[in-house]
Amino acid sequence: DAGVIQSPRHEVTEMGQEVTLRCKPISGHNSLFWYRQTMMRGLELLIYFNNNVPIDDSGMPEDRFSAKMPNASFSTLKIQPSEPRDSAVYFCASSQAPSGGNEQFFGPGTRLTVL
Amino acid sequence: EDQVTQSPEALRLQEGESSSLNCSYTVSGLRGLFWYRQDPGKGPEFLFTLYSAGEEKEKERLKATLTKKESFLHITAPKPEDSATYLCAVMVGYSTLTFGKGTMLLVSP
Repeated sequence: DAGVIQSPRHEVTEMGQEVTLRCKPISGHNSLFWYRQTMMRGLELLIYFNNNVPIDDSGMPEDRFSAKMPNASFSTLKIQPSEPRDSAVYFCASSQAPSGGNEQFFGPGTRLTVL
Repeated sequence: EDQVTQSPEALRLQEGESSSLNCSYTVSGLRGLFWYRQDPGKGPEFLFTLYSAGEEKEKERLKATLTKKESFLHITAPKPEDSATYLCAVMVGYSTLTFGKGTMLLVSP
């Protein structure tokens, strides 16, 4: 299995621009998670999907952030407009919960820099 | 509010020098405690899940234990390749994890 795939791996953009991050979960997994990691705050959950439906978006920082999961093999996280404080590493993870255990498998991350 | 605290923040060991990392938690209704390893520039890699106090799991030089208030990750005779950041996380709700900030481990040859 290829594991969780994220693109792009690095993104540099200017303040005010729209940013779209992409994720392909492990085939057969029914849960997908978006996280943000910074030195100050560590790894924080942004949003969680189960069977393509958003279940918990309480971690989404503000309306500038939105996430979609149009099908079981693709999800996007969009930031519009982006701000310098959004600079972080964004991870996507997937799991086969609860039937297959609760372990989450992470992608390699997208390092976002907003200038 | 659920809290997960890891200590120490950083640990430097000599190769072969055993030690333990601590993860203390304050949650209501723990459903599982997870340990991950994260190498620089990569995503966290799953190591262990512990579900109840008294449970232990081992993998190579690593052993994880769980009590009602904390978990330990014991590293026996570490090697330089064990250098990484170790993260613990708790599951309280349906499937979501709350992570600690991690312990950065450096093992010198």
